[in-house]
Amino acid sequence: EAGVAQSPRYKIIEKRQSVAFWCNPISGHATLYWYQQILGQGPKLLIQFQNNGVVDDSQLPKDRFSAERLKGVDSTLKIQPAKLEDSAVYLCASSLEERTEAFFGQGTRLTVV
Amino acid sequence: GDSVTQMEGPVTLSEEAFLTINCTYTATGYPSLFWYVQYPGEGLQLLLKATKADDKGSNKGFEATYRKETTSFHLEKGSVQVSDSAVYFCALRPYGSARQLTFGSGTQLTVLP
Repeated sequence: EAGVAQSPRYKIIEKRQSVAFWCNPISGHATLYWYQQILGQGPKLLIQFQNNGVVDDSQLPKDRFSAERLKGVDSTLKIQPAKLEDSAVYLCASSLEERTEAFFGQGTRLTVV
Repeated sequence: GDSVTQMEGPVTLSEEAFLTINCTYTATGYPSLFWYVQYPGEGLQLLLKATKADDKGSNKGFEATYRKETTSFHLEKGSVQVSDSAVYFCALRPYGSARQLTFGSGTQLTVLP
């Protein structure tokens, strides 16, 4: 079974630029999550989708971050404009349903300079 | 709010040594508790879990017991191997919640041959 796919693996941008990350969840998984993992910290949930609807985006900085999940499958996370403190690994995860085991992708490491 | 506190790392052990990584939590009710592992260059993987008090989760020689009285979920292994070198995250999910996980800050384990 294919796992959660994310791209790109690495990205370096200058502050105030924009960036987008892509995630393809495991086939059939209704729930999709984006996490931000700052170096030395545990992952923090940014947004949770159930199919193509948002379940929780309470920790998403909506002035600069946006996410969508069209057709309830792939998802993109965008940052515009980026700040230095956005440097982190962005993890995508999916689960069959809410409250079932989440499977994580390898993440995208973002460096903002 | 809910939180997870892990012992600070890094932890360095010799092969076949006994491992304990402490984890305590703050949450209302009876959360589900998890240990995730992140091997170098890979995404997070669920290692074990426990969903109610006194449950013991186990996998790959690792064990953790859900202790409600001490709000703890310490990870143990009797004899570590070099291949166990990774970052270990303790996490919780509130009881009855569709929200995803709250993670601790992670503990880096290095096992030397």
